[in-house]
Amino acid sequence: AQTVTQSQPEMSVQEAETVTLSCTYDTSENNYYLFWYKQPPSRQMILVIRQEAYKQQNATENRFSVNFQKAAKSFSLKISDSQLGDTAMYFCASTITGANSKLTFGKGITLSVRP
Amino acid sequence: KAGVTQTPRYLIKTRGQQVTLSCSPISGHRSVSWYQQTPGQGLQFLFEYFSETQRNKGNFPGRFSGRQFSNSRSEMNVSTLELGDSALYLCASSSTGWATGELFFGEGSRLTVL
Repeated sequence: AQTVTQSQPEMSVQEAETVTLSCTYDTSENNYYLFWYKQPPSRQMILVIRQEAYKQQNATENRFSVNFQKAAKSFSLKISDSQLGDTAMYFCASTITGANSKLTFGKGITLSVRP
Repeated sequence: KAGVTQTPRYLIKTRGQQVTLSCSPISGHRSVSWYQQTPGQGLQFLFEYFSETQRNKGNFPGRFSGRQFSNSRSEMNVSTLELGDSALYLCASSSTGWATGELFFGEGSRLTVL
């Protein structure tokens, strides 16, 4: 079975500060991908960052970076220099590839950036 | 380039009715997947279509069905609606592959079942 766990339901951060969102996953597969998606209050979900499991190097997209710990099955998202527009719900997700592809989302975390 | 378009955006139905939701993917995207989002269960995968064929299916009852047309537009249908079907239904399209690539989501269809 494939599971994705986001244990923190909500977090708050001051504008310009750094915040880390936690995510753990469990899979018995070797080929999988991990994602962080952002869903702002307007509801349209967008991809923040993507990590291939076979890559050791952590993915980075501007102010967003991940800390991928494969052995610990941890995939946290770090947001640097938080901006008001970062206020949203963030979902961690994992997919396994192959004949029986699966996509599993975590429950999500609501992040509020305070001015 | 137009994004993913879902219609209708909001709808209200009563128990026992059926509903059809539509999703137009980004031009050139052949994969369309559907998701149910509720406060209690979060985001759950319904099914994925690629070139008019259902490739993957989540753990939903047979009342939930879908199809994809030759122009990649997709519809999902829910028959015999139950109160628990009230949710935001999201669809997403992808060009590089559903499991490995970026998903582009629509704004969703908010279904309320009374």
